[in-house]
Amino acid sequence: SQQGEEDPQALSIQEGENATMNCSYKTSINNLQWYRQNSGRGLVHLILIRSNEREKHSGRLRVTLDTSKKSSSLLITASRAADTASYFCATVQNAGNMLTFGGGTRLMVKP
Amino acid sequence: ETGVTQSPTHLIKTRGQQVTLRCSSQSGHNTVSWYQQALGQGPQFIFQYYREEENGRGNFPPRFSGLQFPNYSSELNVNALELDDSALYLCASSLEQGAGEQYFGPGTRLTVT
Repeated sequence: SQQGEEDPQALSIQEGENATMNCSYKTSINNLQWYRQNSGRGLVHLILIRSNEREKHSGRLRVTLDTSKKSSSLLITASRAADTASYFCATVQNAGNMLTFGGGTRLMVKP
Repeated sequence: ETGVTQSPTHLIKTRGQQVTLRCSSQSGHNTVSWYQQALGQGPQFIFQYYREEENGRGNFPPRFSGLQFPNYSSELNVNALELDDSALYLCASSLEQGAGEQYFGPGTRLTVT
């Protein structure tokens, strides 16, 4: 079963625009992570946000976490064609040792 | 590149056969996790090994088994293959047990016919 669900499932934008992806989950978590996957290859870790954090930044990425709503968002600013990929949120439950992934958002950035 | 390698890249097997997939973790990482990713879906956790012992398992039957070796390599074995086992199999290594940041390999694409 999948704990996190991303929204939207697919997103198409022009280069230079911002992309926002949302993730909702069901149970209490220790942390939430975002990963990127290009064309069915391995996943690349983007950012980890702990349950006691509300916002984190990494380069052009901004992640927010609202534990009261059990939701997170990933914002990619000034998108580039190279950002085209699938983006997944993954949660870790308290005392857990596994990542539970959502279904992903497929982002296409048009040049 | 994450420093995690997997072999083979692609594999075709027949229903009922057995398969072994291999992973070499990033140096110094004592924890490895395996995931199954069906087409168009997110990865699903199979199990985790920490210092050569199974350290957690997802909702997969016993015909999915694993091994971790002292040299940071690991194996995923699947017996009695079924058509639904066709998927991308990903291994991920990390510095600690539990689930902090994980470093994924490129995956093995398994097709069962």
